[in-house]
Amino acid sequence: EPEVTQTPSHQVTQMGQEVILRCVPISNHLYFYWYRQILGQKVEFLVSFYNNEISEKSEIFDDQFSVERPDGSNFTLKIRSTKLEDSAMYFCASSNRDRGNGELFFGEGSRLTVL
Amino acid sequence: SQQGEEDPQALSIQEGENATMNCSYKTSINNLQWYRQNSGRGLVHLILIRSNEREKHSGRLRVTLDTSKKSSSLLITASRAADTASYFCATDQVISSGSARQLTFGSGTQLTVLP
Repeated sequence: EPEVTQTPSHQVTQMGQEVILRCVPISNHLYFYWYRQILGQKVEFLVSFYNNEISEKSEIFDDQFSVERPDGSNFTLKIRSTKLEDSAMYFCASSNRDRGNGELFFGEGSRLTVL
Repeated sequence: SQQGEEDPQALSIQEGENATMNCSYKTSINNLQWYRQNSGRGLVHLILIRSNEREKHSGRLRVTLDTSKKSSSLLITASRAADTASYFCATDQVISSGSARQLTFGSGTQLTVLP
């Protein structure tokens, strides 16, 4: 069964360092998302991406964050200068249907630990 | 309460019993979805119910939606130890712009099924 894959599964970094989290969405999906979950807290929306541009972003997704779809398969989340509070599990998701019509398929997540 | 709040926060039952989890939300929605998350793992989509539907079944899962009360319930019948996980409702809100979908997750219900 097709699945969303994410790498790395766990990354430890020093505060101020740049981090790139990678995702391979399901191949025929058109809509891509990043969510994050701080330990013990809710899953929070970061950004959605469609047709090679950001569709929506939350207040969390500030200038330190960026997303890119550099080729036909990868979807990346970059954090330019990590902060302690960026420590969280980051989930990539994809969907093949427009809003209101289908579920999101989530990856297993990338755990980011900022020291 | 915030959009997508589940109750109870934690539920412990014996194998074979039914488990009922509730979700309340505040805004108009396109659909409401339930996801499951095993500890430290990704989110797995369980079921989606559209705003014009009142009840939906999938295997041992039964979901109801009451848009007048802005609430939903997830019933798992004949529970098994393997059902132990966190269960989240997520609302697909009606917004005026954009074609991608932003889900708003609740805090989740931690279900423990004792063998």
